[in-house]
Amino acid sequence: KNEVEQSPQNLTAQEGEFITINCSYSVGISALHWLQQHPGGGIVSLFMLSSGKKKHGRLIATINIQEKHSSLHITASHPRDSAVYICAVSGTGNQFYFGTGTSLTVIP
Amino acid sequence: DTEVTQTPKHLVMGMTNKKSLKCEQHMGHRAMYWYKQKAKKPPELMFVYSYEKLSINESVPSRFSPECPNSSLLNLHLHALQPEDSALYLCASSQGHLGLSTGELFFGEGSRLTVL
Repeated sequence: KNEVEQSPQNLTAQEGEFITINCSYSVGISALHWLQQHPGGGIVSLFMLSSGKKKHGRLIATINIQEKHSSLHITASHPRDSAVYICAVSGTGNQFYFGTGTSLTVIP
Repeated sequence: DTEVTQTPKHLVMGMTNKKSLKCEQHMGHRAMYWYKQKAKKPPELMFVYSYEKLSINESVPSRFSPECPNSSLLNLHLHALQPEDSALYLCASSQGHLGLSTGELFFGEGSRLTVL
């Protein structure tokens, strides 16, 4: 049983397209995290959110606490956005639950 | 300084070797983590240190031995590893304040381990 489910697992888009990655979770959380990992690289935190919406450049993250659902949107996608995007949730303890990741490829 | 620094970046070792992975952060974070990541898989939690005490051990084999000498440093000692232990080992840290949200998770670049 996965506490965090992501969809889709793989996503290919043309440069400039609007992209949405979804995340659903089944546990109580204090925060939801969106992470980015480029091939062979470390993991970078994009967002931590516990309600509403956050925006950073072309990236937008939203969360609906009642529905236990979050989305990560990328506007005007670019090949450098190609990476694995991971949704993770945390509670009040030092424990994080990770989704299986969404592998995004943006084609020029 | 919002960095988690891991050394070495790459390590090749034989099954009889003893080596260590090191991790350092200077953000005042009180929770530090070791994760193991295989190709195309999400990170798997190995150990969590909270306030320099081991708080979570995810049934990791004893050939992996963590150590937290102080609040800024985390080591992972490796001994008698198996080829299947080859993976990317990621260190991370978070605020980890007791009873509160643990905060944002900051990862190092990882140490890529190959066991021959």
